[in-house]
Order: sequence, then C-alpha cells, then structure tokens
Amino acid sequence: AQRVTQPEKLLSVFKGAPVELKCNYSYSGSPELFWYVQYSRQRLQLLLRHISRESIKGFTADLNKGETSFHLKKPFAQEEDSAMYYCALKDSGYSTLTFGKGTMLLVSP
Amino acid sequence: DGGITQSPKYLFRKEGQNVTLSCEQNLNHDAMYWYRQDPGQGLRLIYYSQIVNDFQKGDIAEGYSVSREKKESFPLTVTSAQKNPTAFYLCASSPSPLAGGYEQYFGPGTRLTVT
Repeated sequence: AQRVTQPEKLLSVFKGAPVELKCNYSYSGSPELFWYVQYSRQRLQLLLRHISRESIKGFTADLNKGETSFHLKKPFAQEEDSAMYYCALKDSGYSTLTFGKGTMLLVSP
Repeated sequence: DGGITQSPKYLFRKEGQNVTLSCEQNLNHDAMYWYRQDPGQGLRLIYYSQIVNDFQKGDIAEGYSVSREKKESFPLTVTSAQKNPTAFYLCASSPSPLAGGYEQYFGPGTRLTVT
C-alpha cells in the first residue's frame, strides 16, 4: 500500500533561516507528488507539484526516487511562511490523493 | 467568491442524530471528495465521486454516507453509527483525471461538534 510520511509534526525556525520539510513516500510505480499548504484561517491550497518543477513563494521540491523523498525547501524563511504543510501522493489509477499527517512550520522573528 | 462552498461553518449535534454537511462547487469539476481532518492525523479520505451518480468509499467510510445526484453537489451525512464524529470536515473537487486534472481545490471546511 502506498504511504506518505512526514516525520516532523512541528518545525520551528527563525526568520531568514533555511527550511526543509521532509516527505518520504512508498509507492511501487512512478509517483506524482504534491505539496499543499494551509495558512491560518485559510483553505488548504496547492503549493507545488513535482511534475511542473516550479518554484512557488520561494519554495522548491525535488523528487528523489532513490531515496523516495520529496522534501520541501526554502533558503530563507519568512514569517508569512508559517502554516501547516501537507505532502500528498496521487493514488494509482484514480484521482484521489494520499496525504501525510502534515508538518506545522513556525517562523519566528 | 465562487469555487467550493461548504455550509455551515460550525455545526453542533447531539449524539445519536444524523447530520448532513453541504458541499457545492461551481468549477464544473467532475470529481469531488470528502476528508476528515484531525490534529496529528492529517487528511483522511472518507468518500469520493468521480462522476455523477457514482461514488466510492475512502479509507474511513464507516459511519458516513454520501450522494452525488448533481455534478455541483456532494453532501455528506454523518450517521449515528460514526463512533467519533467530532472533527473538521473538508470537501474538495478536481477536474476529470482523464484530462490530467489531479489538483484538488478545497472548501473552507465545516467543524462538527457532537455532544
């Protein structure tokens, strides 16, 4: 069965520090991975997907098939990055997603 | 603000009562989903529907029921059989997977409290 693991429930950093939110997955085929973000009092929304290889709000994520990882990175964290981040894996053959348990990022001034 | 709407924002019910949560979308999306969000548990899929008049159970369907009579609407009923119904419920929709549409768009959620 496919699985998404986000090992950190909470990540606390200072403004300007680098950030890496970890995501590991288990999947037998060719994975399609996403990062979703939920800011306080806002809806859950897509941050980025690995197939587009884009950078959104300074965040990037590289798919590493050898390590089965899709870590989210940002070189300099900002206070407005504080939010809950979820890694998600598309299910084989369906439109459904399997979500990790999420990591709360807190960026302090 | 169009997109996906969920109502009500907060809902309170007595134990033993069924309750229906509303989810409407005007994005012309084929697929719709219901998730339950609990602290430390992430999002867990309850039910999903890829087309009108068809739906499938997700990972935690027990104690829940859904219908998909219209493309725009996907109501979720939390029945008295659900042992721990107090939670935050999220509805989402996505374009047809046949068109490569896997991005899910989420509603604002409904917080259900059962006492």
